[in-house]
Amino acid sequence: EAEVAQSPRYKITEKSQAVAFWCDPISGHATLYWYRQILGQGPELLVQFQDESVVDDSQLPKDRFSAERLKGVDSTLKIQPAELGDSAMYLCASSLKRGNTGELFFGEGSRLTVL
Amino acid sequence: GENVEQHPSTLSVQEGDSAVIKCTYSDSASNYFPWYKQELGKRPQLIIDIRSNVGEKKDQRIAVTLNKTAKHFSLHITETQPEDSAVYFCAAGRNTDKLIFGTGTRLQVFP
Repeated sequence: EAEVAQSPRYKITEKSQAVAFWCDPISGHATLYWYRQILGQGPELLVQFQDESVVDDSQLPKDRFSAERLKGVDSTLKIQPAELGDSAMYLCASSLKRGNTGELFFGEGSRLTVL
Repeated sequence: GENVEQHPSTLSVQEGDSAVIKCTYSDSASNYFPWYKQELGKRPQLIIDIRSNVGEKKDQRIAVTLNKTAKHFSLHITETQPEDSAVYFCAAGRNTDKLIFGTGTRLQVFP
């Protein structure tokens, strides 16, 4: 069964350092999402891509976060500089197409700890 | 924007009993309401979803009801089993765009 792949699974960094997370969606899925899940809370959408284009990044803290999906396939989420409050699980998800009331397939996530 | 509230935050039931989790949403334009189950250390997985043109949907022991007028929807699990223990998230949105998730309900099913 096809799955969304994410790496690294765990990342520990010191504040002010740069971190990057990678996501490879299910093959053929045009829409890719990055969510942040703080412990004890629900996932919060950071950015949504349709192919290589950003369709929603209204909740992305653009002063320190950036995301790209250059070829419309895999994606990278970067944080620079990391802050203590960025400690969370970063979940990538994909779906077949935008606006489809179908399933979001989540990856296993990248857990970030900022010291 | 959309706001989703979920209750209760924790729920403990005896095996075989029923469990009900409730969510309310604020955006009357929301038309898609999925429920995700997240086991400890694992990814969220869709267990059931409902669209705004349907009032109820059932899949074996799981059912979801939607009241568009009151803007609330509920997850019902009957004949609970220990493997149902997990965190359950509701979500609401316009299709899968900008899905807003609730804060989660930790369900514990005791044998």
